[in-house]
Amino acid sequence: DQQVKQNSPSLSVQEGRISILNCDYTNSMFDYFLWYKKYPAEGPTFLISISSIKDKNEDGRFTVFLNKSAKHLSLHIVPSQPGDSAVYFCAASVYFGNKLVFGAGTILRVKS
Amino acid sequence: EAQVTQNPRYLITVTGKKLTVTCSQNMNHEYMSWYRQDPGLGLRQIYYSMNVEVTDKGDVPEGYKVSRKEKRNFPLILESPSPNQTSLYFCASSPQGNQPQHFGDGTRLSIL
Repeated sequence: DQQVKQNSPSLSVQEGRISILNCDYTNSMFDYFLWYKKYPAEGPTFLISISSIKDKNEDGRFTVFLNKSAKHLSLHIVPSQPGDSAVYFCAASVYFGNKLVFGAGTILRVKS
Repeated sequence: EAQVTQNPRYLITVTGKKLTVTCSQNMNHEYMSWYRQDPGLGLRQIYYSMNVEVTDKGDVPEGYKVSRKEKRNFPLILESPSPNQTSLYFCASSPQGNQPQHFGDGTRLSIL
């Protein structure tokens, strides 16, 4: 049973528009969430995180929103650029825990 | 340059032949972890280590062993590999367990 779900395997967006990647989780104990980006033949790289005491965190073009009641988070990329084309993984953990649980990933394609 | 280094990057081997994938980090991180990535399943944690001589099982530890004799190294050992262990493997490290992890570039294992 997957505790972290990314239900959209892929997403295609025009350059300059907004990309919205979604993630749902089932474990109510999760209180720390991260997004990673992965290019082919490379390891995932950390993008942005949010703890459950916040509902929004921004870093440049990237914003993560957390809706605890719906057990849902989303990553917004504005404006999208062709270099953003990658696989995006959502991950969750208990803040003082040692395990990170990943979703299956969403392939983002930004068309120029 | 801060990095996590995995070797080998690619390996094709046969069932039952013991193999070791090495992982080394140069950031003096306490926490290290191994993941496998499979299509549709995302990254699943195999084992993790909070510090030297301290290791614990992740979500899919069966068929794997690890050791942490030095802070910088965290090898993954497959004593008797089987075809269902064919996968893409990632090693990761972080200062502490609840912080964003740095990933290596991956090791693609094919077990025939």
